[in-house]
Amino acid sequence: DAGVIQSPRHEVTEMGQEVTLRCKPISGHDYLFWYRQTMMRGLELLIYFNNNVPIDDSGMPEDRFSAKMPNASFSTLKIQPSEPRDSAVYFCASLGFRGRGGDPTDTQYFGPGTRLTVL
Amino acid sequence: SQQGEEDPQALSIQEGENATMNCSYKTSINNLQWYRQNSGRGLVHLILIRSNEREKHSGRLRVTLDTSKKSSSLLITASRAADTASYFCATLMYNNNDMRFGAGTRLTVKP
Repeated sequence: DAGVIQSPRHEVTEMGQEVTLRCKPISGHDYLFWYRQTMMRGLELLIYFNNNVPIDDSGMPEDRFSAKMPNASFSTLKIQPSEPRDSAVYFCASLGFRGRGGDPTDTQYFGPGTRLTVL
Repeated sequence: SQQGEEDPQALSIQEGENATMNCSYKTSINNLQWYRQNSGRGLVHLILIRSNEREKHSGRLRVTLDTSKKSSSLLITASRAADTASYFCATLMYNNNDMRFGAGTRLTVKP
């Protein structure tokens, strides 16, 4: 398995532009998480999905942020309009089945991240 | 808000020495996990310890968990320069999938 795939790896954009980050989770994983990492705030959970349904989006900073998961193999995080304070590394992570035979797996597998710079 | 708080924030040691990092948390948890992040890269899962476990080993890693004190420690024995990275603890709460990460400990192992 190629692991969690994120694109683009780097994004530089100007304030006010729309930004779309993409994530492909590990095949068969039914949970998908979006995180943001900054020096000031560390790693923050933004939103997570279970079976393509958003479960908790309380970490989404404001209405400019939206996330979708149209199918089990793809998710997007969109920022519109973007602002300089959105500059961060955005990580996507997926998690396998829980409680299915033997020990449930609670390990999240992280993608390489998208480094976003908003000028 | 961040659940786990790592301590120290930064640690610098010589190759071959042991490194100990601590993590404290505030609420009841299902499990606690340690992750490593190399500069500019994603997080890599190291070890998971469940709330009913007290100690766990994986290679050169040893993790302890004290639920009465709401704290955990990660010990890396016989450190190597390649262990240089940031180490994060993450807690998974009961009855949800909300994982909270601490601010991390930046470990530098000098050759």
